[in-house]
Amino acid sequence: DSGVTQTPKHLITATGQRVTLRCSPRSGDLSVYWYQQSLDQGLQFLIQYYNGEERAKGNILERFSAQQFPDLHSELNLSSLELGDSALYFCASSGGTGRVEAFFGQGTRLTVV
Amino acid sequence: TQLLEQSPQFLSIQEGENLTVYCNSSSVFSSLQWYRQEPGEGPVLLVTVVTGGEVKKLKRLTFQFGDARKDSSLHITAAQTGDTGLYLCAGARGNQFYFGTGTSLTVIP
Repeated sequence: DSGVTQTPKHLITATGQRVTLRCSPRSGDLSVYWYQQSLDQGLQFLIQYYNGEERAKGNILERFSAQQFPDLHSELNLSSLELGDSALYFCASSGGTGRVEAFFGQGTRLTVV
Repeated sequence: TQLLEQSPQFLSIQEGENLTVYCNSSSVFSSLQWYRQEPGEGPVLLVTVVTGGEVKKLKRLTFQFGDARKDSSLHITAAQTGDTGLYLCAGARGNQFYFGTGTSLTVIP
């Protein structure tokens, strides 16, 4: 158990809909990262938050947004969903300065039909 | 463009064989991590290397960080079927992680 919790584990929704994925980081970790992994693909970095503020942005679509709340949990919002958005979405967390490792949640499998 | 390139992309070997996976970059990292991911699961951290030239051993797995902290290798001795999975390297620069392209390893009984 990595200590990172993601919900829900599975999500099936229709095209055009909006969903919210949730991530609770490990206790004490300030950074949250969101990644997308399509079938047989590597991890694509979407966005990073550090202590409530956006720190880095990767290949995140304009239809996607995220935020990190004061209690450090994070949500990834995906809107106007398309079939191509079907993927595994992972959240990872890491500590502040001096703690370099990232620990991953079990992921949310999103299926857009 | 990918900051970290892994090779080979796919590897299929017989149980008992040895193998090496490479993770290369033109950039310097403060540390480098190796993860293994099984289908449908999140990547699991195997090791972190921090010092240039550092070698770490984890049972049959040997990890090395390049002297210039730009590359790394993972060597598996006497591979077992349980080693099957996607191996990912990740380099850390500040608070940012950059993941490699991944090596998919299949160990055939």
